[in-house]
Amino acid sequence: DSGVTQTPKHLITATGQRVTLRCSPRSGDLSVYWYQQSLDQGLQFLIQYYNGEERAKGNILERFSAQQFPDLHSELNLSSLELGDSALYFCASSQTRTNTGELFFGEGSRLTVL
Amino acid sequence: DAKTTQPPSMDCAEGRAANLPCNHSTISGNEYVYWYRQIHSQGPQYIIHGLKNNETNEMASLIITEDRKSSTLILPHATLRDTAVYYCIVRDNNQAGTALIFGKGTTLSVSS
Repeated sequence: DSGVTQTPKHLITATGQRVTLRCSPRSGDLSVYWYQQSLDQGLQFLIQYYNGEERAKGNILERFSAQQFPDLHSELNLSSLELGDSALYFCASSQTRTNTGELFFGEGSRLTVL
Repeated sequence: DAKTTQPPSMDCAEGRAANLPCNHSTISGNEYVYWYRQIHSQGPQYIIHGLKNNETNEMASLIITEDRKSSTLILPHATLRDTAVYYCIVRDNNQAGTALIFGKGTTLSVSS
């Protein structure tokens, strides 16, 4: 158990819909990272937040957005869903802004878009 | 893009050492080498990291060549539970908040 909690574990929805994925980082961790893993793309970095502020952006689509709340949990919002958005979405956390590279990953949220 | 090159797959017999190579010929002086693994769609798990010296922990050993252009992750006594995708990643720890960028990794299959 990494200490990172993601909900829901599984989600099935239709094209055009909007979903929210939630992540609770390990106690004391200020940084939260979101990754997407689809069969043909591998693990893709989406976005990182540190203590409520956006720190880095990766390959995140404009239809996707994220935020980190004062209690440090984070949400990833996916809108206008397409079939290609079906993937595992992982959240990871780390302790410090200049972290040593040891990220703790949750078990992921599996999104299926029909 | 990932800055590392790994073989797509490797096999290992249970109980034997698994040696997973990684090439990172463009690594810079500030970049560390990290290894993670992912067991069947679970969240990736940190294994070990190093800068220039060899490192060992309870999970594995990391051997980095003197020129730092390649490294080897060693699982001394592989078990069936070590079957996973292993990712070698280079990262500059001096850049605040730099995310880990994963490549395709090596799929290690351990068989009895």
